[in-house]
Amino acid sequence: AQSVTQLGSHVSVSEGALVLLRCNYSSSVPPYLFWYVQYPNQGLQLLLKYTSAATLVKGINGFEAEFKKSETSFHLTKPSAHMSDAAEYFCAVSAWGGSEKLVFGKGTKLTVNP
Amino acid sequence: NAGVTQTPKFQVLKTGQSMTLQCAQDMNHNSMYWYRQDPGMGLRLIYYSASEGTTDKGEVPNGYNVSRLNKREFSLRLESAAPSQTSVYFCASTPDPGTGSEQFFGPGTRLTVL
Repeated sequence: AQSVTQLGSHVSVSEGALVLLRCNYSSSVPPYLFWYVQYPNQGLQLLLKYTSAATLVKGINGFEAEFKKSETSFHLTKPSAHMSDAAEYFCAVSAWGGSEKLVFGKGTKLTVNP
Repeated sequence: NAGVTQTPKFQVLKTGQSMTLQCAQDMNHNSMYWYRQDPGMGLRLIYYSASEGTTDKGEVPNGYNVSRLNKREFSLRLESAAPSQTSVYFCASTPDPGTGSEQFFGPGTRLTVL
């Protein structure tokens, strides 16, 4: 079984500051890991995903995440926050060879202050 | 391509009424999913269809039924709506389950049950 924990339901940063959103996962088999972003009143959009090709994954809009097996983590970072990054971010895990069922974390709402 | 489309966008029901949420994808994807999103809970899987002709329960299936009408369409039915089913419902699809392919999400249906 898989599970995801996102530390911090709300994160607030200043424009230009580092963004760090934390995700820890639990999986009994090698996982696939995803970060999705949701802007207000919209569906979810993929930011990036880990599928074992490389541990440092680059995504859209300057975001990246590093898979650390020893820490069971997949934290999302961006060096410099922009006002347009304000949204809710979800980490999700699925299992290799499964039905691609995603298990989501509860989400982290990012606020960017001018 | 329209991607994943959902109808209706908004719906208000009275307790005990029934309704069907419609979902269609034009990407020739094999697997389709229904999630509900509640504040602070992330997305939870209601039902999924790994391939045309199959459906399986997810994490929160009680009170719902689904039909995979064909490869394109996957509907979610509430037979007797309850206030606890007030939520935002998202449909998603993916081409190759179990291979780390991303899920593509529709814009959502916001349902209120009075």
